[in-house]
Amino acid sequence: GQNIDQPTEMTATEGAIVQINCTYQTSGFNGLFWYQQHAGEAPTFLSYNVLDGLEEKGRFSSFLSRSKGYSYLLLKELQMKDSASYLCAVRDSNYQLIWGAGTKLIIKP
Amino acid sequence: DVKVTQSSRYLVKRTGEKVFLECVQDMDHENMFWYRQDPGLGLRLIYFSYDVKMKEKGDIPEGYSVSREKKERFSLILESASTNQTSMYLCASSLEDRVTEAFFGQGTRLTVV
Repeated sequence: GQNIDQPTEMTATEGAIVQINCTYQTSGFNGLFWYQQHAGEAPTFLSYNVLDGLEEKGRFSSFLSRSKGYSYLLLKELQMKDSASYLCAVRDSNYQLIWGAGTKLIIKP
Repeated sequence: DVKVTQSSRYLVKRTGEKVFLECVQDMDHENMFWYRQDPGLGLRLIYFSYDVKMKEKGDIPEGYSVSREKKERFSLILESASTNQTSMYLCASSLEDRVTEAFFGQGTRLTVV
C-alpha cells in the first residue's frame, strides 16, 4: 500500500529552526508537495520538489531524496504565525496526490 | 489570486438528509477535487473531475456523488447523510498540467446528527 509518514506534533521556540520530516512509500513518484494549514483554514501551498536536493524559499526550505523516499521542510527564524499543521503529499505514478496526516507545529515564545 | 470558494463554512444536517456542498473556482482550472479531512488521517480523495461532465472515483466514494455541469463548479452530494460523514470537506482545483499545485477552498465543516 501507499504510505506517507510524518510526526504528529512538534514544538519549537520562536526564533529557532525546526525540521519536519516526511517519509513515503508510493507506487511511483511524480513530485512532493508541502502545504501549510492553519487551524480551521484551507491548506496553502509552500513548496514542490521533483528532483533531489534543496529548494529554498525565504525562511522555508524543502529537501528531497528520492532514493531514500524522504523529504524535510526546514523553517528558520520561527515566528508565532508559523504555528500550523504542515502537510506532506506525494504525487504517485497515476498523478494522484497521497497525503500524510500532517504535523502540528507549536511555537512557544 | 486564485480563489476557490465553498458555499458554507459550517453545516448541520440530520441523518438521512440529502446534502449538497458547492465549490466554485475562478481560475479556469480543468481539475477539481473533493477531499475529506479527519483528525489523525491524511486528506482522503472522494471524487475528482478533470473536465466538465467528467468524474472519477477517488479512494472513498461510497455514500457520495458529484456533479460538474460547468467548468468552474463542482458539487459534492451526500445522498443520505450518515453520522460517519461528519467531517471537514475540502474542495480543490488545479491546472491539468499535472505539475502545478492544487488550490484549496476554506473547507466546510459538516456535522450530521
